[in-house]
Amino acid sequence: EAGVTQSPTHLIKTRGQQATLRCSPISGHTSVYWYQQALGLGLQFLLWYDEGEERNRGNFPPRFSGRQFPNYSSELNVNALELEDSALYLCASSSLGRKQFFGPGTRLTVL
Amino acid sequence: DQQVKQNSPSLSVQEGRISILNCDYTNSMFDYFLWYKKYPAEGPTFLISISSIKDKNEDGRFTVFLNKSAKHLSLHIVPSQPGDSAVYFCAASPSSNTGKLIFGQGTTLQVKP
Repeated sequence: EAGVTQSPTHLIKTRGQQATLRCSPISGHTSVYWYQQALGLGLQFLLWYDEGEERNRGNFPPRFSGRQFPNYSSELNVNALELEDSALYLCASSSLGRKQFFGPGTRLTVL
Repeated sequence: DQQVKQNSPSLSVQEGRISILNCDYTNSMFDYFLWYKKYPAEGPTFLISISSIKDKNEDGRFTVFLNKSAKHLSLHIVPSQPGDSAVYFCAASPSSNTGKLIFGQGTTLQVKP
């Protein structure tokens, strides 16, 4: 069974640009979660999508947004990039329970 | 305010011995706990979980213990193997199921051959 996949692996942007990160959940999983792991910090919850709807978001500014598509894949968009947005962005998926399975992450570098 | 704490940044054990990783939490609304292992440049891998209605859950070499009165959980790995060397994160989920897992800062485990 294929796990959670994320693309791209690495992304380099400059300040003020927009970044788009993509995630495909495990087959059969309807929930997708996004987390940020900045250098030296733990994993911080960003967003939760389920059945195409945003169910919850963490303490991040509105320039962090996303969506979930009918096939349950998801996109995270970060607008007006700032240097401190440089981090590993992790996507996770789950079915009915609270156990979340993570992808390999996208490393975003903002110059 | 860090609601989930792993107070030991690192732990070193000899191959074949027991590894004990600890985690403390402050929020009594947490009722589901998970442990993840993370290798460099990879995403966290789910290891084991426990519901607050239990005080122990076992899966092969991994056992998680939950002490609700002390708001403490621990992960035991027996016997430890060099391949277990990684960063271990505990995470907690509130009973309201917000979709949010709250993670500790992680403990780096090194298992020496």
